[in-house]
Amino acid sequence: DAGVIQSPRHEVTEMGQEVTLRCKPISGHDYLFWYRQTMMRGLELLIYFNNNVPIDDSGMPEDRFSAKMPNASFSTLKIQPSEPRDSAVYFCASSTRAGPFLVGYTFGSGTRLTVV
Amino acid sequence: GNSVTQMEGPVTLSEEAFLTINCTYTATGYPSLFWYVQYPGEGLQLLLKATKADDKGSNKGFEATYRKETTSFHLEKGSVQVSDSAVYFCALSVSNTGNQFYFGTGTSLTVIP
Repeated sequence: DAGVIQSPRHEVTEMGQEVTLRCKPISGHDYLFWYRQTMMRGLELLIYFNNNVPIDDSGMPEDRFSAKMPNASFSTLKIQPSEPRDSAVYFCASSTRAGPFLVGYTFGSGTRLTVV
Repeated sequence: GNSVTQMEGPVTLSEEAFLTINCTYTATGYPSLFWYVQYPGEGLQLLLKATKADDKGSNKGFEATYRKETTSFHLEKGSVQVSDSAVYFCALSVSNTGNQFYFGTGTSLTVIP
């Protein structure tokens, strides 16, 4: 298994531009999570999906952020327009459920976003 | 609610020193506990886990015991190496309540030769 695959690994963009981050979860995992990591705020859960349906987006910072999961093998996180304070490492993670517990919670390598 | 409280860092140790990183939790249901490690420039990787009380998770010389009576899951290693320098996250999964892992704030460990 190739694990959770994120692209791009690094993204540098100018303020005001649209940024799209991509994630391919582990095959068979039916939960997908988007996180943001910064030095100031640590690891923050932005949104998660179950069976391609957004379940909780309360962590999405504002309307400039949107996420989609059109099918079980692909998700995107979009920022439009981007701002310098969006600079962070964005992680995708996927998981499934075994009985009452989430199992196999696996992170991708992240996308380091720099907005200048 | 469900939450994890983790020892503040950063922690700096000399090679071969003993490591303890404290982690306590609160859970509204039955918990499973995890330690994740994040090496520089990488994502979080599962280090070890314990799914029931008194279970000990172990991997790469690290150990943690799920203590229900003290709601704790402290990470220990008897002799750290420079290659153990990383950020360590304690995490909680709760049965039947919530669909996410709850992470601590992370503890940065630097091991100096």
